[in-house]
Amino acid sequence: GGIITQTPKFLIGQEGQKLTLKCQQNFNHDTMYWYRQDSGKGLRLIYYSITENDLQKGDLSEGYDASREKKSSFSLTVTSAQKNEMAVFLCASSLGLGSSAETLYFGSGTRLTVL
Amino acid sequence: AQKVTQTQTSISVMEKTTVTMDCVYETQDSSYFLFWYKQTASGEIVFLIRQDSYKKENATVGHYSLNFQKPKSSIGLIITATQIEDSAVYFCAIRPGYNKLTFGKGTVLLVSP
Repeated sequence: GGIITQTPKFLIGQEGQKLTLKCQQNFNHDTMYWYRQDSGKGLRLIYYSITENDLQKGDLSEGYDASREKKSSFSLTVTSAQKNEMAVFLCASSLGLGSSAETLYFGSGTRLTVL
Repeated sequence: AQKVTQTQTSISVMEKTTVTMDCVYETQDSSYFLFWYKQTASGEIVFLIRQDSYKKENATVGHYSLNFQKPKSSIGLIITATQIEDSAVYFCAIRPGYNKLTFGKGTVLLVSP
């Protein structure tokens, strides 16, 4: 088994601030994802990475940067926090896009509050 | 682009009954995978069950089963003998081929004793 660890669990920032969320996985999975969850809106993909140093934009990438310097870690940066960005950010990993019908494994999330 | 629609915002049922959650999807691809995930009150999201589009038989895992109606682009989740701990948010998702997963907005299930 494995685990996905997201830090911090709660992140409070000021409007306009640059904020970084971190994610570590020990599944040895190739692909990692960042999703944003807003109340009543389901999960929307921000960025994903199919291997170390790879970055792919999702549907909601504007205003975010991502970094995958190691296979086990995937960071997300909110470049300039806005009040309408308060949400839960979920990191996930999967074996790899080359695997059919892969299952995603999720972290417990980082709840972002912007003051 | 693919789309997933879960029309039921919330459902309330009594314990030990059977519940069906609806999901319809849109995709241009002829081959795809359909998933259901569960998010508990703690925020944890776990994979429940998968249906491969090329398989006619409905997937079943434990007390979860699927009602796959391909001509209607529908993939319902059926939970039999519901338990209190089944109370959660249930997400339907689609992945055409090797493309990224697209989720619906979720259905809240409340199971009462």
